[in-house]
Amino acid sequence: DAKTTQPPSMDCAEGRAANLPCNHSTISGNEYVYWYRQIHSQGPQYIIHGLKNNETNEMASLIITEDRKSSTLILPHATLRDTAVYYCIASVGAGNMLTFGGGTRLMVKP
Amino acid sequence: GAGVSQSPRYKVAKRGQDVALRCDPISGHVSLFWYQQALGQGPEFLTYFQNEAQLDKSGLPSDRFFAERPEGSVSTLKIQRTQQEDSAVYLCASSLGRINAGAANNEQFFGPGTRLTVL
Repeated sequence: DAKTTQPPSMDCAEGRAANLPCNHSTISGNEYVYWYRQIHSQGPQYIIHGLKNNETNEMASLIITEDRKSSTLILPHATLRDTAVYYCIASVGAGNMLTFGGGTRLMVKP
Repeated sequence: GAGVSQSPRYKVAKRGQDVALRCDPISGHVSLFWYQQALGQGPEFLTYFQNEAQLDKSGLPSDRFFAERPEGSVSTLKIQRTQQEDSAVYLCASSLGRINAGAANNEQFFGPGTRLTVL
């Protein structure tokens, strides 16, 4: 799996958009970009994934650059419950093992 | 709906004891993964099952670690002669499909983990 690089921590004001960046410059053509988050004392939770196109679901939006070397996870209206560690992972999908890095610790503040 | 469950949630063991950690995946899920998460770190892969077959155990740190999934559903991770460095949260995850099936939408569903403390 390609290595991903994320900032170790970020702060966001409640109600504002949280934009979490991820670099994956060595991603291969068959690797998807997955985002998971882990709230304290819980197991990781799937958020979204994408290959080339931007994706949106009820939780977040994923913007992938045209060269696929980086992506941004967007939480449009962050709430206090979004405080968590967010992991960006490059994986071929289909049940393949996930290689977690250090993630970004997002702190949403009132 | 029923998610992935793990038991016990917490386990304290004396150094040298054997422990067994249980994972009940989502019914019908073919793939099952075990991960180890040290304090302040991201989860690290231990082993993978497709049904009852253990297809990848490259992440197991030593031969003291053993995992099984005899009937393709419930899985047990066993650690023999526990050491202090085994203290971690052990996470189990399941997903619907087979590895390398080519399907994209195969998210992993994680259990709450078992926190193992070895004294």
